[in-house]
Amino acid sequence: NAGVTQTPKFQVLKTGQSMTLQCAQDMNHNSMYWYRQDPGMGLRLIYYSASEGTTDKGEVPNGYNVSRLNKREFSLRLESAAPSQTSVYFCASSIPLLYEQYFGPGTRLTVT
Amino acid sequence: AQSVTQLDSHVSVSEGTPVLLRCNYSSSYSPSLFWYVQHPNKGLQLLLKYTSAATLVKGINGFEAEFKKSETSFHLTKPSAHMSDAAEYFCVVSGANFGNEKLTFGTGTRLTIIP
Repeated sequence: NAGVTQTPKFQVLKTGQSMTLQCAQDMNHNSMYWYRQDPGMGLRLIYYSASEGTTDKGEVPNGYNVSRLNKREFSLRLESAAPSQTSVYFCASSIPLLYEQYFGPGTRLTVT
Repeated sequence: AQSVTQLDSHVSVSEGTPVLLRCNYSSSYSPSLFWYVQHPNKGLQLLLKYTSAATLVKGINGFEAEFKKSETSFHLTKPSAHMSDAAEYFCVVSGANFGNEKLTFGTGTRLTIIP
């Protein structure tokens, strides 16, 4: 039971490049989330998916797109990376109504 | 609407002395409250949670927190700090209306343990 896994662990992009961050969970959770963590700001929700086939915007969705590929996988795409997207990105999953979320190890992204 | 305020961005204590990390919350509903811990370059791990059962909640590694509705507080405590407790701690609130599982994070408190 690996929990929540994320790939890659580290990535450096140039401004304007695109990339997809991958997330998978093996806990049979319905809900999945993408957050970004910046110094002094805690975690901010980018997008979430309450169930397979549905996605909704969070607090900071601009510049990102998501895909809930199936119940296990939830990917985050940066179409045209900007330096302001330099951050640590966390994926999480949860069981509905229990609220507690389980987090992946994070992806550290630098955009130059 | 919901929000959470962590009153200290950085707390330093000596090893073996008590730890107090302060958190106040605001919520339109009866909230669920959590403390998460993040060790350097790691993901977040759930320490403990309050979901309208007992107001004194015990978590892992000797931590506990008390839900005080009258004070809208959920402070985290530990009787005796250990070097391994050095980490960043996040107080988190969740809406209690069914279907809304979004979490709102505080800005974090960095705990330093002095040998």
